[in-house]
Amino acid sequence: IAGITQAPTSQILAAGRRMTLRCTQDMRHNAMYWYRQDLGLGLRLIHYSNTAGTTGKGEVPDGYSVSRANTDDFPLTLASAVPSQTSVYFCASSRTGDDTGELFFGEGSRLTVL
Amino acid sequence: GQNIDQPTEMTATEGAIVQINCTYQTSGFNGLFWYQQHAGEAPTFLSYNVLDGLEEKGRFSSFLSRSKGYSYLLLKELQMKDSASYLCAVRDSNYQLIWGAGTKLIIKP
Repeated sequence: IAGITQAPTSQILAAGRRMTLRCTQDMRHNAMYWYRQDLGLGLRLIHYSNTAGTTGKGEVPDGYSVSRANTDDFPLTLASAVPSQTSVYFCASSRTGDDTGELFFGEGSRLTVL
Repeated sequence: GQNIDQPTEMTATEGAIVQINCTYQTSGFNGLFWYQQHAGEAPTFLSYNVLDGLEEKGRFSSFLSRSKGYSYLLLKELQMKDSASYLCAVRDSNYQLIWGAGTKLIIKP
């Protein structure tokens, strides 16, 4: 089944540790995104990539980094996790140039930083 | 600043009709989206409006008034499976999506 796969689905992490959330899509979408979702707040964009080889900063990029070596993969790395990064993280993709700009989301990665 | 407002929670009865409102103030406008998100799951696309008026898709309809910075999602013939959060999002002049906090819809038998 075509879609977006995220891993891990859930993780508990000690503060100060490094963590990479993986995201893979098989829809050949050009654009990919990382969002965090916190209770009472809207989805907030962390980083995005409009095409392989390029990345950009979103609304809340501090403490996070991304890479886009190819079309399919878009990993998100927390270099040194802090408790405020406890959240649910969603990876998403869209077809660049599509009028609707519909986003397709992965199932999410629930991260707890202690 | 940019802002999307929608009610935090609404309750409705199975079989009834409910309207979820969304007002926005953004830097430019390139379309408004509604997504559905069941608890513990990913958001899924419901509708897209870029021109004023009503877009109907089965039991769900979405309305847009760009001059008023206003949209609503109308759900008819409510079913228990419609219990979910409904997210309003606006694409701004930079083609980035600005998201509301979502409206949790509770359906009662």
